[in-house]
Amino acid sequence: RKEVEQDPGPFNVPEGATVAFNCTYSNSASQSFFWYRQDCRKEPKLLMSVYSSGNEDGRFTAQLNRASQYISLLIRDSKLSDSATYLCVVNQGDKLIFGTGTRLQVFP
Amino acid sequence: DAGVIQSPRHEVTEMGQEVTLRCKPISGHNSLFWYRQTMMRGLELLIYFNNNVPIDDSGMPEDRFSAKMPNASFSTLKIQPSEPRDSAVYFCASSLDGGYQPQHFGDGTRLSIL
Repeated sequence: RKEVEQDPGPFNVPEGATVAFNCTYSNSASQSFFWYRQDCRKEPKLLMSVYSSGNEDGRFTAQLNRASQYISLLIRDSKLSDSATYLCVVNQGDKLIFGTGTRLQVFP
Repeated sequence: DAGVIQSPRHEVTEMGQEVTLRCKPISGHNSLFWYRQTMMRGLELLIYFNNNVPIDDSGMPEDRFSAKMPNASFSTLKIQPSEPRDSAVYFCASSLDGGYQPQHFGDGTRLSIL
């Protein structure tokens, strides 16, 4: 089983749609969780940290379910500029383990 | 504030040549990570340092790869001799506290070995 698993997509959605990405992780001892976004030919950039109680940042909502070892990211009112690859990231001790990413394409 | 700074941005060289990639982490960050990214394998952790000390180099593909961090503000990743299969984007990232804080990435070095 991969340490961090994501649906690779692509997810093709119209502007204004709501889209959800899921991620599962294998190490029950993990304590830090993040979502990164990566644009084509650019570096990964932190989108948001994920907290146990769930957290929201504008149109983005992240949820964590420790019992199921499951993380989600919800994007509301999608914009063209949201088109990117979204990486689920989980710590393993001192390291961060990156998922392979879910590609999102928002069309007009 | 300056982010993670990598150089060069692009490198094209012939196989067999030595390649040196450079990284300056964010000031005050005590953890530094080197990654490689390809379409086939995604983002792979090569090696990371805490307080300038290499902690885990299990991701380094083979003896041709070496990394150093002589001080808190500088690290190098060296490939000698280089091979075409080393072609990839190499990212350096730094963080305040290993895996418990988010990592901040440099722009990457796009390496092509002919």
